[in-house]
Amino acid sequence: NAGVTQTPKFQVLKTGQSMTLQCAQDMNHEYMSWYRQDPGMGLRLIHYSVGAGITDQGEVPNGYNVSRSTTEDFPLRLLSAAPSQTSVYFCASSYSRQGNTEAFFGQGTRLTVV
Amino acid sequence: AQTVTQSQPEMSVQEAETVTLSCTYDTSENNYYLFWYKQPPSRQMILVIRQEAYKQQNATENRFSVNFQKAAKSFSLKISDSQLGDTAMYFCAFPLAQKLVFGQGTRLTINP
Repeated sequence: NAGVTQTPKFQVLKTGQSMTLQCAQDMNHEYMSWYRQDPGMGLRLIHYSVGAGITDQGEVPNGYNVSRSTTEDFPLRLLSAAPSQTSVYFCASSYSRQGNTEAFFGQGTRLTVV
Repeated sequence: AQTVTQSQPEMSVQEAETVTLSCTYDTSENNYYLFWYKQPPSRQMILVIRQEAYKQQNATENRFSVNFQKAAKSFSLKISDSQLGDTAMYFCAFPLAQKLVFGQGTRLTINP
């Protein structure tokens, strides 16, 4: 049982480059989300999805796109990387809406934009 | 606006001591859950304990327990007999709509 798998674990980008952070879960969870973690700010929600084909913005969505074509996968796309997007990114999933059940997290991606 | 506040950015205690991490939140809901997550140096987010607001009894998981004060909107985490492996960032989390809102975190160091 792999849980939530995030790739890559580390990435360095140049300003203006684009990339996709991959996230997959094998628990048949409806809810998936992306957070970024910055020092002193906890985890902030970027985008979330309540099921395949349905996505919505979180607290800090600018500069990021998501899609949810399957229950299992929820990729996060950086359209044109900026130094302000240097952060640690986490994907999470849960069986029902995040508040009633435990959220399971991937191992995170440390992204540096130079 | 931040709805979850952890007022202790860093704490440090000796091994085997008891330590309490504080968390306050703001909500108008009556029925909800509260969570404490641990993030060790490996970066993995791990659920430590969960409290249901409608339950008056404080949740306990082995050495971890909470002091839940619903009227005061306070949700502190107590770690008894602390161990070196408890060294980590600890985050309080509160559900808002369909999302989890996290506090700023407390960096806890257990010294030998």
